[in-house]
Amino acid sequence: AQKITQTQPGMFVQEKEAVTLDCTYDTSDPSYGLFWYKQPSSGEMIFLIYQGSYDQQNATEGRYSLNFQKARKSANLVISASQLGDSAMYFCAMREDSLGDDKIIFGKGTRLHILP
Amino acid sequence: DTAVSQTPKYLVTQMGNDKSIKCEQNLGHDTMYWYKQDSKKFLKIMFSYNNKELIINETVPNRFSPKSPDKAHLNLHINSLELGDSAVYFCASSFFGTGSSYEQYFGPGTRLTVT
Repeated sequence: AQKITQTQPGMFVQEKEAVTLDCTYDTSDPSYGLFWYKQPSSGEMIFLIYQGSYDQQNATEGRYSLNFQKARKSANLVISASQLGDSAMYFCAMREDSLGDDKIIFGKGTRLHILP
Repeated sequence: DTAVSQTPKYLVTQMGNDKSIKCEQNLGHDTMYWYKQDSKKFLKIMFSYNNKELIINETVPNRFSPKSPDKAHLNLHINSLELGDSAVYFCASSFFGTGSSYEQYFGPGTRLTVT
């Protein structure tokens, strides 16, 4: 079974609109971390935001927020007021802490296109 | 100031050759990783080293051999290259800390093309 599922292979969104990128995860580990990374067409991987499984509040970083719904095992990324520069691949990832090896498993990604 | 650097950025070689990719980080991190990103953009962990000790060794052909001379460097040597090895290889580094928010910092990637 896939540990991280991103069901949207591609999305088109009008500039300035808010975007929600879906991510569901599968783990029985009570302690885990969830990450989102951005990969623009230039190829580099850029860390965006982190949510720990015990964090009480949803993580926010500037225009990025993580809609963490623990019971549903969902960690959607919300980008407010999208910009043309947000066009990129977005990867959701998870670290299961009981493994003790800091391994991060990535989803297959969602390609986001922001339209002018 | 490059945080995680990889050389070379592009590598084109023929089947059967042996090649190496070098990675260096200047962030003071104690853990380094190698990932492979295939043509469909799927990113998969290959190896990780913590303070020069191998801690993750995924199901990777033994033609791939990582070497960490010190905690700031992690090199990847590939023997007898095959067409299926064509991919982008990313190096990353972080502080080791299960349960922490430590994110991994990625290098720019090395695009390997095997002909």
